[in-house]
Amino acid sequence: DQQVKQNSPSLSVQEGRISILNCDYTNSMFDYFLWYKKYPAEGPTFLISISSIKDKNEDGRFTVFLNKSAKHLSLHIVPSQPGDSAVYFCAASGDYKLSFGAGTTVTVRA
Amino acid sequence: DAGITQSPRHKVTETGTPVTLRCHQTENHRYMYWYRQDPGHGLRLIHYSYGVKDTDKGEVSDGYSVSRSKTEDFLLTLESATSSQTSVYFCAISGDRRGSYEQYFGPGTRLTVT
Repeated sequence: DQQVKQNSPSLSVQEGRISILNCDYTNSMFDYFLWYKKYPAEGPTFLISISSIKDKNEDGRFTVFLNKSAKHLSLHIVPSQPGDSAVYFCAASGDYKLSFGAGTTVTVRA
Repeated sequence: DAGITQSPRHKVTETGTPVTLRCHQTENHRYMYWYRQDPGHGLRLIHYSYGVKDTDKGEVSDGYSVSRSKTEDFLLTLESATSSQTSVYFCAISGDRRGSYEQYFGPGTRLTVT
């Protein structure tokens, strides 16, 4: 049973606009959440994370928001750039193991 | 980038043959993981290790075994490969810092079982 869900398999956004990726989880024991970015034929790379004691974390163009009561997190990318075209995975942890969502493919249009 | 290598990077094998994939790290990290990536499933944990000779099962461990005799190496073995094990396999590592669970991934091994 998948504990982390990304319900949008794909997202297309115009360059310069905001990309919003969503993720839901079911396990209330998760206390740390991460986003990874993956290009074809490469391994996933860590992008940004957030602890359950926070509701927002920013790193440059990337911001992650956490709503614990709704068991929902989102990743905002502003402004979107062509190099952001990739697959984005949401992940959650309560220990040293991660549970991943199925991924969202982001395409940034010129 | 974390020093993680995987070998081989590509492999084609026949059903029923044994296959071993190798993950090597130069970061001296305690935790090592094996995942498989399949369309519609994201990354699923096969096995992980929390120290030399200490391993445990993940969510999709059937048909796989692992060994870790040195900190830097984590081996994944498919005892008798099946077509359902055609996938991309990723190794990952993480350190021992409580409250911070970032994992760093290798480049992957594409395995095809014919």
